[in-house]
Formats: sequence, structure tokens, C-alpha cells
Amino acid sequence: KNQVEQSPQSLIILEGKNCTLQCNYTVSPFSNLRWYKQDTGRGPVSLTIMTFSENTKSNGRYTATLDADTKQSSLHITASQLSDSASYICVVSGRAGNMLTFGGGTRLMVKP
Amino acid sequence: DAGVIQSPRHEVTEMGQEVTLRCKPISGHNSLFWYRQTMMRGLELLIYFNNNVPIDDSGMPEDRFSAKMPNASFSTLKIQPSEPRDSAVYFCASSLAPRVAGNTDTQYFGPGTRLTVL
Repeated sequence: KNQVEQSPQSLIILEGKNCTLQCNYTVSPFSNLRWYKQDTGRGPVSLTIMTFSENTKSNGRYTATLDADTKQSSLHITASQLSDSASYICVVSGRAGNMLTFGGGTRLMVKP
Repeated sequence: DAGVIQSPRHEVTEMGQEVTLRCKPISGHNSLFWYRQTMMRGLELLIYFNNNVPIDDSGMPEDRFSAKMPNASFSTLKIQPSEPRDSAVYFCASSLAPRVAGNTDTQYFGPGTRLTVL
């Protein structure tokens, strides 16, 4: 069964600190993995999209890594800001059919 | 561009009533997606269209749900009759991609419609 598991479920950090969110998946055959940021009451916004051949991709203070062998991805946030408080969702796309498998998300709270 | 537009933003209705959610995708996008998000189940893809044609509706929960895309700039998601368990936030998203599998195009989400069925 295709699954995407994210950890931790929730996280509280102080402003200025770094943090890393994890995403493990079992989707096969794999096509690409996306990280979305969703602010409360808003729709998700794409942060990064990585294919099988990409190991790392950055978007400002957000850096995503992908290890297709172990089927793991991480999202690293550097020098966190209050505006980083949101849910972060990992979504994996398979190569077959129209399959999208969603993780349950990590809820991040950045405190001053 | 105004982005993906959804209406209404909030909808409160009674069980058994028909509910229609509306979406206007970004101009020029080929694909349109309907999602449902709840605390219990997270984000779920319900159906997606490419060039106004429904491609995959395997995520539609049951026959009470139907979706149409009569033209490139408008889509509806209808629930008839509605039930309390349909309460959720419904998102519409669009992208340039011709299909879901294997594509890396960004999906742009609308602000969502928060549906409450009493």
C-alpha cells in the first residue's frame, strides 16, 4: 500500500532556530516528491518539487533533500521566522496512473 | 492573474441539502483538481480534469459527489444530498501539466471553501 508518513506531527521552535521535518514514503514506482506550506485558513503553496535524480533543492531558507534509495525526504528550515508557522505537507507522485499520496503534515509553530 | 478563485468561501447548510462549490482556475492552465481536507484524513485528491475532461475520479467518495467542467474557466463540485461527514475544506487547484503522473508542474491552490453540514 502506498503511504507517506511525516514526522514529527507537530513542532515548536524559537525564532531564529533551525529545524528539520521528515517524510518517509513507500510509493512505487516513484516519480517526484513535493513539499507544500499551508498557512492556517489558506490553500497549500508549493515550496519544492524533486524528481528521482535530484538530491537537494533549495527555495530561500527552505532546503529539501531526497534519498530515493531509502525513500526518505527532509525539509530543513534555516533561521526560522514567525511567518514559518504553518503546516508542511509532503506529497509523493507515482509514475503510474494519476496517483498522488499525501502525508498527514507537520504543524510547525515558531515562537518569539 | 488573480490566482485560483473559489466560491463561496464559507458554506453552512443542513443535512440533505444540495451544495455546489465553484472554481475558476488560472487562465491558460490545462488541469484542474478538486481536493478535500479534514483533520482526520488530511488532504485528499477527489477528481481531476485535463482540458475540461474528467481524467480520474477515483477519489470521489461516493455517488453523492459529482464534478463538472463545462469550459476551461469554470468547474463545479456538487454534493447531493449533503451529510455532516462531508464537512471539510474543499480546495480547487490548477496547473499547466497535462497529467498527474510524472509531471513536475506546480499546482496552484485556491483559498478553499469551508463547508459545514449541520
